[in-house]
Amino acid sequence: DTAVSQTPKYLVTQMGNDKSIKCEQNLGHDTMYWYKQDSKKFLKIMFSYNNKELIINETVPNRFSPKSPDKAHLNLHINSLELGDSAVYFCASSPRTGGNQPQHFGDGTRLSIL
Amino acid sequence: DQQVKQNSPSLSVQEGRISILNCDYTNSMFDYFLWYKKYPAEGPTFLISISSIKDKNEDGRFTVFLNKSAKHLSLHIVPSQPGDSAVYFCAARASGSARQLTFGSGTQLTVLP
Repeated sequence: DTAVSQTPKYLVTQMGNDKSIKCEQNLGHDTMYWYKQDSKKFLKIMFSYNNKELIINETVPNRFSPKSPDKAHLNLHINSLELGDSAVYFCASSPRTGGNQPQHFGDGTRLSIL
Repeated sequence: DQQVKQNSPSLSVQEGRISILNCDYTNSMFDYFLWYKKYPAEGPTFLISISSIKDKNEDGRFTVFLNKSAKHLSLHIVPSQPGDSAVYFCAARASGSARQLTFGSGTQLTVLP
């Protein structure tokens, strides 16, 4: 009955590979997000989707491509992985973009690039 | 540029005493503030929030204070319990934006039995 679930939890891969991280929420929320937690522990927004439409795209390399097949899913595909992509990636969701509603987070995917 | 700052990376408190975690921000457009708690290998869990129209919000042992003129907020936990040991993140959201959160770097709270 996990509210926001991400798979896989750990991902170890070689530089240059392409990989995907999946996220699903069963809260009925309209908005989903991807955050990256870097080595300094800051969580930084990467993307936000509202009802399958992209509403935020921060200055993220275009090797990162989010895909939202429906409002309950927001997957993250990364091409040509680089060493600097090593981080923990968190998916989150909230009821809608407006209003004071907290975001609910998944447990994160720890990506390690060899 | 860090718009949300948590200047204390760690804090140790004795069980039963008060824990005070601090957060400063620079963006005057922020109008909603949240505290999240994070255990290792888990995602951040929402704890408490406050709107900029208030200066205090209380929920059980947790109270958040907001000082808009000083651009400062704090989280008080009283009494502190060993289960409160975690990393606490302060986050803020700007009005008129797409409502993404801007996070601080977190404070590791350790409550000693």
